Amino acid sequence: DAKTTQPPSMDCAEGRAANLPCNHSTISGNEYVYWYRQIHSQGPQYIIHGLKNNETNEMASLIITEDRKSSTLILPHATLRDTAVYYCIVRVGGNTDKLIFGTGTRLQVFP
Amino acid sequence: DAGVIQSPRHEVTEMGQEVTLRCKPISGHDYLFWYRQTMMRGLELLIYFNNNVPIDDSGMPEDRFSAKMPNASFSTLKIQPSEPRDSAVYFCASRTGTANSPLHFGNGTRLTVT
Repeated sequence: DAKTTQPPSMDCAEGRAANLPCNHSTISGNEYVYWYRQIHSQGPQYIIHGLKNNETNEMASLIITEDRKSSTLILPHATLRDTAVYYCIVRVGGNTDKLIFGTGTRLQVFP
Repeated sequence: DAGVIQSPRHEVTEMGQEVTLRCKPISGHDYLFWYRQTMMRGLELLIYFNNNVPIDDSGMPEDRFSAKMPNASFSTLKIQPSEPRDSAVYFCASRTGTANSPLHFGNGTRLTVT
C-alpha cells in the first residue's frame, strides 16, 4: 500500500475551516484514500473515503488532486470537539483489510 | 446499535499472569480486527477474522498472544504469560463484508502489566 505523509500537528480556531493535508505520491490507480480520527481515549472513528472524485458527507469534505498524489480533508466549521488525531490512509479498494495507520496529524481547535 | 463492545475497560495485572480481553462486534459484521496502540509504535494490526476464521495473524507479536472467535458475536485476545511490554490499549473493530465499508472501533481495553 502507498505510504502517506501528514504534518504532525496543526491548530485551528473554533468556527473556522480546518484543512488537513496528506501526501500520497506513490498511490496506485486502484487505491482509495481513507480518513479516520481518534479523539483522546476513544477508538478511531471513520470520517470519509474517496478514489478520485471529491467527496462530502455530514462530517467533512475530501478533496483529491487530479493527479491523486495528495488530498485534503476539510472540516468546514471546526469545533472544540474536533480536537483529535487525524489519520490519512491509502488502501486498495474492495476490502479494507489491514488498514495501516500512520502517525497522523494532531489537530488542536482553540476557542 | 450498541457499537463494538470491549471488556474490561481497564486491566491491571502482574507480570506472568494470563490476561483475556473480550470483544463483541456489531451484529451482522463479517470482519473483526484486533489492534494494539502504544506511544512508541502507534496503532498496530494484530490479527483479523472473516466469518469467524482467522485470516491474517502476521501482526501477532509472539506465541504468548492468541486470539479466537468461537462465534459471530464474540472474540477474545489472550496473553499468556503477560509481560510489562504488553502494556498498551487494545482495540477491537468490526465491519461488514461490503466493499469499502468502514471499520467501527470499540473504546479499547487499557492493559497495564506491572
